[in-house]
Amino acid sequence: KNQVEQSPQSLIILEGKNCTLQCNYTVSPFSNLRWYKQDTGRGPVSLTIMTFSENTKSNGRYTATLDADTKQSSLHITASQLSDSASYICVGNVTSAGNMLTFGGGTRLMVKP
Amino acid sequence: ETGVTQTPRHLVMGMTNKKSLKCEQHLGHNAMYWYKQSAKKPLELMFVYNFKEQTENNSVPSRFSPECPNSSHLFLHLHTLQPEDSALYLCASSQLAEGPSSYNEQFFGPGTRLTVL
Repeated sequence: KNQVEQSPQSLIILEGKNCTLQCNYTVSPFSNLRWYKQDTGRGPVSLTIMTFSENTKSNGRYTATLDADTKQSSLHITASQLSDSASYICVGNVTSAGNMLTFGGGTRLMVKP
Repeated sequence: ETGVTQTPRHLVMGMTNKKSLKCEQHLGHNAMYWYKQSAKKPLELMFVYNFKEQTENNSVPSRFSPECPNSSHLFLHLHTLQPEDSALYLCASSQLAEGPSSYNEQFFGPGTRLTVL
């Protein structure tokens, strides 16, 4: 069964601090892994997408890593801002032809001043 | 904005009502999706349309009825819903392409917050 598990479930940090969110996935056959940011009451917005051959990908202050051997991914947020408060969702893509996604439960991040 | 719009943004309905959710994508994509997001649960895929043909129906109760009249529009018709159907309903679209290098990235709309009384 395809599964994506994220930790922690929630996290509170102070503005300006860094943080790392974790994702473990069991998705087969694996095509790519995505991180989405979802503001409260809004739809998810893509941050990064990585295939099995990519180890790291950055999008501004967001840096995602992927270890295809251990089936783990992380999302590192640098110099956090209040606007980073949101849910971060890790998503595994089973196949590139068809687009069936397996969603994690998300990490709820709150950045406090 | 992502190029995917949804209306209405909020909807309150009784269990005997009939209502419809609308989604429109302005990205020229060939696939559209309905997802359900309940509190503290992962997104659940409900329906997938590729080139206007329904290719996935994830064991969704018949009280949810999708309609895809063209590649830009997607509807979700609702009737005799239950209180447990209250959730955020998200529409998404993507451009499907073959091959290992294709990402098939999905773009999500803002969602419709549905409350069933």
